[in-house]
Amino acid sequence: GENVEQHPSTLSVQEGDSAVIKCTYSDSASNYFPWYKQELGKRPQLIIDIRSNVGEKKDQRIAVTLNKTAKHFSLHITETQPEDSAVYFCAASSGTGNQFYFGTGTSLTVIP
Amino acid sequence: GAVVSQHPSRVICKSGTSVKIECRSLDFQATTMFWYRQFPKQSLMLMATSNEGSKATYEQGVEKDKFLINHASLTLSTLTVTSAHPEDSSFYICSGLAGTQYFGPGTRLLVL
Repeated sequence: GENVEQHPSTLSVQEGDSAVIKCTYSDSASNYFPWYKQELGKRPQLIIDIRSNVGEKKDQRIAVTLNKTAKHFSLHITETQPEDSAVYFCAASSGTGNQFYFGTGTSLTVIP
Repeated sequence: GAVVSQHPSRVICKSGTSVKIECRSLDFQATTMFWYRQFPKQSLMLMATSNEGSKATYEQGVEKDKFLINHASLTLSTLTVTSAHPEDSSFYICSGLAGTQYFGPGTRLLVL
């Protein structure tokens, strides 16, 4: 089955700096990679996603890059703000059955 | 995005009793829903895939006789934790599939 690894597990940055979270996956059939933000005690919220037919996608301060050959994808947050503080999860899906397999999460703290 | 609700938001029960959790898609029809379990400061662990009108597909290691899933309509899936024990205490989250997965707010179960 799919195995998704995520690094780092914790990340602290100064407000205004950039944050990068990296994930690797094992199943070459995976073709959809969403990123979720989860605040304490709340539901995961989709923040950006990418499909395997593109290498990069950007939405304002958030971008995701995908390297299919190396089987890794990354989340980039620029000009971080305190409200970006949360736990971020990456996931991979092969489309068959649409199951998502999640990474272990990254706890991001943005220091004002 | 699509909206998913869950009920109850939290429940406390005695060991040996059964607990039913409802997951509803409010503004879309969800042929497929998913059930996850999340321990404190950990990732989302997929328990099962719930398909409307057919039997659920359970992930390896998840006891299907203990975690009963019913998906009787296009907007409702239920998870029943049978004969609950303290080790079943956890945060249970469902999601509905609408292009991507949209998560419910979760149910915090405490078994005494």
